[in-house]
Amino acid sequence: KAGVTQTPRYLIKTRGQQVTLSCSPISGHRSVSWYQQTPGQGLQFLFEYFSETQRNKGNFPGRFSGRQFSNSRSEMNVSTLELGDSALYLCASSLDSGRNTEAFFGQGTRLTVV
Amino acid sequence: AQSVAQPEDQVNVAEGNPLTVKCTYSVSGNPYLFWYVQYPNRGLQFLLKYITGDNLVKGSYGFEAEFNKSQTSFHLKKPSALVSDSALYFCAVKNSGYALNFGKGTSLLVTP
Repeated sequence: KAGVTQTPRYLIKTRGQQVTLSCSPISGHRSVSWYQQTPGQGLQFLFEYFSETQRNKGNFPGRFSGRQFSNSRSEMNVSTLELGDSALYLCASSLDSGRNTEAFFGQGTRLTVV
Repeated sequence: AQSVAQPEDQVNVAEGNPLTVKCTYSVSGNPYLFWYVQYPNRGLQFLLKYITGDNLVKGSYGFEAEFNKSQTSFHLKKPSALVSDSALYFCAVKNSGYALNFGKGTSLLVTP
């Protein structure tokens, strides 16, 4: 079974630009979550989608948005990029969104904003 | 609020020796606790979880974790460390909104 696939693996963008990251979950998984990882803040939750609906959102500005498609694939978008958005963005998929369900992570997209 | 704390930034252990990576939790209600490992430039890999039941949870790659309700701890253990176990380890708790709240991570270094 294929794991969680994130594309692209690496991105370099300029301040003020926007970026879209993609995530394909494990086949059959309906929940997709996104996390930001930085050396200073660690791992922080961005948002979670289940059956195309955003069910939960972390404490990030509105520049960060996402969506989920009918095939469970998900994208996240960051507009008006700032230097502080440089991070590893991780996508995780779960069979469902229950509290006892483990999440499986992709390898991440390394975003560098210059 | 549901949270976990990892009191050690780094743990050093010699290959073949037992290892322990510490985690304490603060939750209201029943805790849903997880351990993940991250190798350089990689995503997180699921190791094990505690939901309910036996206090000793067995996971992947020979790891296990001991849930202790009275000490609010969920320490990760392995009887015999390997050099290849060197990585960053994260403890996490699922909050009421079903998101994972992670600790800041513990770097494990296993020396030959």
